[in-house]
Amino acid sequence: KQEVTQIPAALSVPEGENLVLNCSFTDSAIYNLQWFRQDPGKGLTSLLLIQSSQREQTSGRLNASLDKSSGRSTLYIAASQPGDSATYLCAARAPQGGSEKLVFGKGTKLTVNP
Amino acid sequence: KAGVTQTPRYLIKTRGQQVTLSCSPISGHRSVSWYQQTPGQGLQFLFEYFSETQRNKGNFPGRFSGRQFSNSRSEMNVSTLELGDSALYLCASSLSASSGNTIYFGEGSWLTVV
Repeated sequence: KQEVTQIPAALSVPEGENLVLNCSFTDSAIYNLQWFRQDPGKGLTSLLLIQSSQREQTSGRLNASLDKSSGRSTLYIAASQPGDSATYLCAARAPQGGSEKLVFGKGTKLTVNP
Repeated sequence: KAGVTQTPRYLIKTRGQQVTLSCSPISGHRSVSWYQQTPGQGLQFLFEYFSETQRNKGNFPGRFSGRQFSNSRSEMNVSTLELGDSALYLCASSLSASSGNTIYFGEGSWLTVV
């Protein structure tokens, strides 16, 4: 059974700092891994999707990496801004029975202080 | 183009009642999935529909059910509500059932059971 873990549960950094969020999964048999952002009381916004055959994806100040063999993904945020404050969730798309499903971590709550 | 639309956004129900939540996917998207989000359990997969067929189902009791219509709109129903059903219910859509597609979430429906 696939399990996804995100540590730490919360992180506070000063504005301008570069930071890394971690995501680990127990079963390397994944189709892809997706990073989301969730603002309080809101739905999830997709940030980056990494296919199982890829090593990383970049979008603006965000860079996500994937290492299937070690069961790890990281989300790198460069030059953090107060507007980056949110909860970041990763989700692994994994086989289930004859189909597949997204398995989510519980998220890392990021606070960027001005 | 319009995103994933969920209605109602907020609702309060009494134990024992039933509730129906609605989701309109992004135009052209044929796959719809539902998730329950609670502070303790995080995001948990409920079910996924594609072309009016349920492709996959999470580990929830039979009180939770759903369906998808020919226009890809989806509804989920919870019968005999319990206090523990209080949660944010999120709907997500994607182009197809392919694992390579990014999924997009709605803002969610906040259900409070009293």
